[in-house]
Amino acid sequence: GENVEQHPSTLSVQEGDSAVIKCTYSDSASNYFPWYKQELGKRPQLIIDIRSNVGEKKDQRIAVTLNKTAKHFSLHITETQPEDSAVYFCAASTGSARQLTFGSGTQLTVLP
Amino acid sequence: DSGVTQTPKHLITATGQRVTLRCSPRSGDLSVYWYQQSLDQGLQFLIHYYNGEERAKGNILERFSAQQFPDLHSELNLSSLELGDSALYFCASSVFSGQETQYFGPGTRLLVL
Repeated sequence: GENVEQHPSTLSVQEGDSAVIKCTYSDSASNYFPWYKQELGKRPQLIIDIRSNVGEKKDQRIAVTLNKTAKHFSLHITETQPEDSAVYFCAASTGSARQLTFGSGTQLTVLP
Repeated sequence: DSGVTQTPKHLITATGQRVTLRCSPRSGDLSVYWYQQSLDQGLQFLIHYYNGEERAKGNILERFSAQQFPDLHSELNLSSLELGDSALYFCASSVFSGQETQYFGPGTRLLVL
């Protein structure tokens, strides 16, 4: 089955700096890659996603890049703010039901 | 608010018991996915239903079962509960089964004592 690895597990940045989180996947049939933000005890919330026919997607301060050849995708957050502090999960959609396989999460802390 | 609702919000029960978790998808969504989130296993896919039919199973224990009803709400049944079943259980919905965004409900926090 699909395996998604996510790095780093924790990331601390100063407010205003950029943060980058990287994920790799194993199943070349995966074709949809969402990123979710989860605050403590709350639901995962989709922040951005990318499909396999696109190499990069940007939404204000958030961008995602996808390298299908290398099977990796990354989340970039620019001009970080304290409210960006949360756990971020990458995921890959695969299988007959296109279920999501999640990475292990990155705890991002933005220091004021 | 994602439009996906889950009840109950919290559930405390004892080992060996059985509980039912309920999920109502967003209006118009035909697919319901169940995920388990525990500290040591992260977010794991359990099972998927599409328009009333089971489509895929993930790491779901035999003690667990689910169904999707004609009104598209879904229930996840957990029986013979063990301490290790304590976790957050999320359902997510999407329009169809494909490259669509999955919207997560608020989750049910299950504590087995």
